[in-house]
Amino acid sequence: DSGVTQTPKHLITATGQRVTLRCSPRSGDLSVYWYQQSLDQGLQFLIQYYNGEERAKGNILERFSAQQFPDLHSELNLSSLELGDSALYFCASSVTRGGGDTQYFGPGTRLTVL
Amino acid sequence: AQSVTQLGSHVSVSEGALVLLRCNYSSSVPPYLFWYVQYPNQGLQLLLKYTTGATLVKGINGFEAEFKKSETSFHLTKPSAHMSDAAEYFCAVRRKTSYDKVIFGPGTSLSVIP
Repeated sequence: DSGVTQTPKHLITATGQRVTLRCSPRSGDLSVYWYQQSLDQGLQFLIQYYNGEERAKGNILERFSAQQFPDLHSELNLSSLELGDSALYFCASSVTRGGGDTQYFGPGTRLTVL
Repeated sequence: AQSVTQLGSHVSVSEGALVLLRCNYSSSVPPYLFWYVQYPNQGLQLLLKYTTGATLVKGINGFEAEFKKSETSFHLTKPSAHMSDAAEYFCAVRRKTSYDKVIFGPGTSLSVIP
């Protein structure tokens, strides 16, 4: 158990819909990262927040957005969903802003878009 | 731009045999280097990382990796494979700037034959 929690574990929805994935980092960790894992794209970094502020951006679509709240939990919002958005979405957390920090991964949310 | 290659999307070894998983990176400046393991239906777990100092890094579960700057490599080894080592292994890099994204390799699936 990494100490990072993600809800829900599974999510099934239809194309065009909007969903919210939630992540609670390990106690004391200030950075939250979001990743997408799919068979065709592999593991892709989406976005990083540190203490409530966006710090790094990866291959995140405009239809996707995220935020980190004052209690440090984070939410990833996916809208206008397409079949290709079906994937495992991981959240990770680390103590500081980056560098050689160890990232601790949550168990993931499996999103299925029908 | 940084990239990570892992030679062999699938590697099979016999139980008790040497495990060697290859990772090469491309970067103008040596980055931080990581190896993660992913067991079925789970998130990623850090095996080991190289940030600075000694180039031979020891990790959990008997794994180690050696950073070779001249070869831009960070291969993962374990002297004797165990059945429980069967999993997906990811090499990852991160530039030595605070807010840069982590780039993961495509992964190598390790099978251990009894």
